[in-house]
Amino acid sequence: GAGVSQSPSNKVTEKGKDVELRCDPISGHTALYWYRQSLGQGLEFLIYFQGNSAPDKSGLPSDRFSAERTGGSVSTLTIQRTQQEDSAVYLCASSFDRQNEKLFFGSGTQLSVL
Amino acid sequence: QKEVEQNSGPLSVPEGAIASLNCTYSDRGSQSFFWYRQYSGKSPELIMSIYSNGDKEDGRFTAQLNKASQYVSLLIRDSQPSDSATYLCAVNGGPGGFKTIFGAGTRLFVKA
Repeated sequence: GAGVSQSPSNKVTEKGKDVELRCDPISGHTALYWYRQSLGQGLEFLIYFQGNSAPDKSGLPSDRFSAERTGGSVSTLTIQRTQQEDSAVYLCASSFDRQNEKLFFGSGTQLSVL
Repeated sequence: QKEVEQNSGPLSVPEGAIASLNCTYSDRGSQSFFWYRQYSGKSPELIMSIYSNGDKEDGRFTAQLNKASQYVSLLIRDSQPSDSATYLCAVNGGPGGFKTIFGAGTRLFVKA
């Protein structure tokens, strides 16, 4: 696609429910990143993928968070048993699978947990 | 110690002045450094990248890197109100250098 696409753009859910966030990277980009940004804060690294592999999952806040990527393309970030502190904008970015490459960001998913 | 540190600001400068933004990082093995700009309610966009010690200029923007001091800076000359945004410093590290870590960002206000 022309840019990184994220869906949904907004998600309101009740505490305790599971949510799935989707990211479709730019065609040809094999590196994919997930970040979380709380209101007025910086970008918190969650996980990144090289192809379908996730070399570094250290940023996932708890075992309620998981992510997968299939076919070297679309990725889903799943949050189980959502809590109010999970409320944030979840940003996905992609880049060519080379060092020193800049990241292209999607528009994000605004998650609100009531 | 945070991996990438920035002064959160806000930094306020008059129109036409030079804005100076600073960043320090902890991973001595980092090889690539970036400055992203984020307008309120929008996603970050890249404005500068720098990979070797010294200065790199692009229009009104100059990035400066000092690996010995683990320090990166961004200068914005002739600041315009449209430059008002949050500026995020990002550093690549980890195995293979693919893990991109961001600082908390510095809010810049340019007063007309």
